Amino acid sequence: DAGITQSPRYKITETGRQVTLMCHQTWSHSYMFWYRQDLGHGLRLIYYSAAADITDKGEVPDGYVVSRSKTENFPLTLESATRSQTSVYFCASSVTVNYGYTFGSGTRLTVV
Amino acid sequence: AQSVTQLGSHVSVSEGALVLLRCNYSSSVPPYLFWYVQYPNQGLQLLLKYTTGATLVKGINGFEAEFKKSETSFHLTKPSAHMSDAAEYFCAVSGGGTSYGKLTFGQGTILTVHP
Repeated sequence: DAGITQSPRYKITETGRQVTLMCHQTWSHSYMFWYRQDLGHGLRLIYYSAAADITDKGEVPDGYVVSRSKTENFPLTLESATRSQTSVYFCASSVTVNYGYTFGSGTRLTVV
Repeated sequence: AQSVTQLGSHVSVSEGALVLLRCNYSSSVPPYLFWYVQYPNQGLQLLLKYTTGATLVKGINGFEAEFKKSETSFHLTKPSAHMSDAAEYFCAVSGGGTSYGKLTFGQGTILTVHP
């Protein structure tokens, strides 16, 4: 089906473990983004990508790594998970900025 | 730098009443402005957007917003609230320079609709 898909929907991991959140879009949108949503903070940009092999930091990049070898995929890796990274993570894509973003359904990550 | 302030983290209205959700922005260049809605356990859905042209923009589900440059505002309204409008609403801005292509979101306003 066309769209933007995030996996897994829910994840529980232990402190110190590496975890990767997946994001896949079928539109060949150039722009892709990772946000985290926390109570009282709204959505904060972690990383974004303007095209394959082009990524840049957002507002809260520390502790996260991204890659984009293919246009349609934009995985987010937590290198060594901490409890402060417990959050809901949203991936989004956009053909261009003035079209707005299309969001995935989110991944709820709990670090214990 | 760009920023968004949503006035009121919670707004409560009666069914059939006017909905008014307030958003003020800061941007060093003419902004693109957006409103998104989020239903429980779902992603964000685009309600409407302002890029250029007409300052009154209409969106889905009967919502509209007016871009007022002099007031740096982009308030969201709906003449008559419906129970299905209960959700969280986010205002977002995208500016130029190093912020080009990146949306900055407000902290959200939870709308409650009473019967």
